Amino acid sequence: GIQVEQSPPDLILQEGANSTLRCNFSDSVNNLQWFHQNPWGQLINLFYIPSGTKQNGRLSATTVATERYSLLYISSSQTTDSGVYFCAVTGNTPLVFGKGTRLSVIA
Amino acid sequence: DGGITQSPKYLFRKEGQNVTLSCEQNLNHDAMYWYRQDPGQGLRLIYYSQIVNDFQKGDIAEGYSVSREKKESFPLTVTSAQKNPTAFYLCASSIPGQGHQYFGPGTRLTVT
Repeated sequence: GIQVEQSPPDLILQEGANSTLRCNFSDSVNNLQWFHQNPWGQLINLFYIPSGTKQNGRLSATTVATERYSLLYISSSQTTDSGVYFCAVTGNTPLVFGKGTRLSVIA
Repeated sequence: DGGITQSPKYLFRKEGQNVTLSCEQNLNHDAMYWYRQDPGQGLRLIYYSQIVNDFQKGDIAEGYSVSREKKESFPLTVTSAQKNPTAFYLCASSIPGQGHQYFGPGTRLTVT
C-alpha cells in the first residue's frame, strides 16, 4: 500500500518564526489532506490539496503530485500553532496517515 | 450545527469486557470510518463503511466489530479479543470518492 513519510518528526520554533513541513508519499494519490491535531486530540482540517497551492491566512500548502510530495508552510508562528501536523493521502483506499510532525512554538 | 459526535470522551473498562464506542454524524455523508491512534503515532484504519449495511476491514480490524444499520451511525465494539485496546479512537465521515474526511472529537479508551 501507499507509504507516507513526514519530516521533521519534531520541530521547536520561537514565536514569530517560519517553518516548512514535508510529506512524501510512495505512489500516485487522488487526494491529500493536511490536519492539525490540537492538544485535546481533535483533528482539524487545514487543507484538502491533491495538487497545486492553497493559502489560508498564515498557512499555505503546495502539493507536487508528479514528484509525490507536499509542503505545509507556517509563517509568523504563534503558540496556538503547537500540536501535531498530519499529512494523509488516498489512492483507491481510505486515507493513509503519516506519523506526523510535532510542532512546539515557544513564546 | 452539523458535525460528528463521539461519546463518551473518556471510557474506562476492565480487561475481558466488550465496550461499544458511539459515532453519530448529521452531515449526510454516506461513508464513515474508524481509526485508532497510539501515543506518538499516526492514525490506523480499523473499519470503514461506504454505505448502509455494508462495511470493510481496515488495516487493524482484529478484535473489533462494527455495524451500519443507519446512515448517521457507525458504532465500534472493542471486544475482549483485542489484545491492546487502550488507545485514542477517532471516527470520521466523508462523501464516498471525495476523499475529504471530517473527524469527530475522539474517545480515549483505557482498559485495565
